[in-house]
Amino acid sequence: QKEVEQDPGPLSVPEGAIVSLNCTYSNSAFQYFMWYRQYSRKGPELLMYTYSSGNKEDGRFTAQVDKSSKYISLFIRDSQPSDSATYLCALEGSNYKLTFGKGTLLTVNP
Amino acid sequence: DTGVSQDPRHKITKRGQNVTFRCDPISEHNRLYWYRQTLGQGPEFLTYFQNEAQLEKSRLLSDRFSAERPKGSFSTLEIQRTEQGDSAMYLCASSRLAGGPGYFGPGTRLTVL
Repeated sequence: QKEVEQDPGPLSVPEGAIVSLNCTYSNSAFQYFMWYRQYSRKGPELLMYTYSSGNKEDGRFTAQVDKSSKYISLFIRDSQPSDSATYLCALEGSNYKLTFGKGTLLTVNP
Repeated sequence: DTGVSQDPRHKITKRGQNVTFRCDPISEHNRLYWYRQTLGQGPEFLTYFQNEAQLEKSRLLSDRFSAERPKGSFSTLEIQRTEQGDSAMYLCASSRLAGGPGYFGPGTRLTVL
C-alpha cells in the first residue's frame, strides 16, 4: 500500500460545479497537509496548508482534514475553466519532506 | 519575495553526458529540497538541505546524482552519465526553518536522448 493514495481521475465537470478531491494516507506520523495546483509543464503552486483536523477555507477553496480516518479533501466551489489543472495532495511528517499523491487531473468545461 | 527560480527550464542531452541544474530559493528560506516528477506521477523526494548541510537523501538518488548547496544559498543538482530513465521534471522547493509549506520553482525539464 502506498503511503498516500489519490484517485488520478480524470475528472470533468461543468463550470460552476462543486468539485471534491480526496486523498487517503496510511502513516499517522504525517502532521501537515497541503494541496498544490499544477498546470501543465509548470511547477506545483501552493493552494492550501493546514496542520489540524477540521476545515480551512480560502475563497472558493476549502481544505478538510480528518486525522482519525486518515482522509483529506479539497473542495472547490463555483469552479471555473481556469481551475483546470492537476491537483496534488502533499503530506509532511517530522522529517520535513513531502510525500505526494499521484495528482487528480481536473477539467472544468465552460 | 521573488519566488524560487530554476535554471535551465529545459535541457536536452544525449545519453552518457553530464548535466547540472541550478536552484535559487526564496531568500529567507533555510530549507531547500529537490524532487523529481515523471509524467502522471506526483513529485518524489530526492534530497533536502538545511542551510548548507545535506540532511537526507532518497534511495532514488543513485551514485550518479550529487547535490550541493554551498554557503546555504543556491543549490546545484548534477547528474553524471545520464540515462534515458533520468528524463523527468526536476523540481526545487524551499521553506522556512521555523516550518511551513514548501514553495516550488518552475522546474527543469530534462530529456535524455
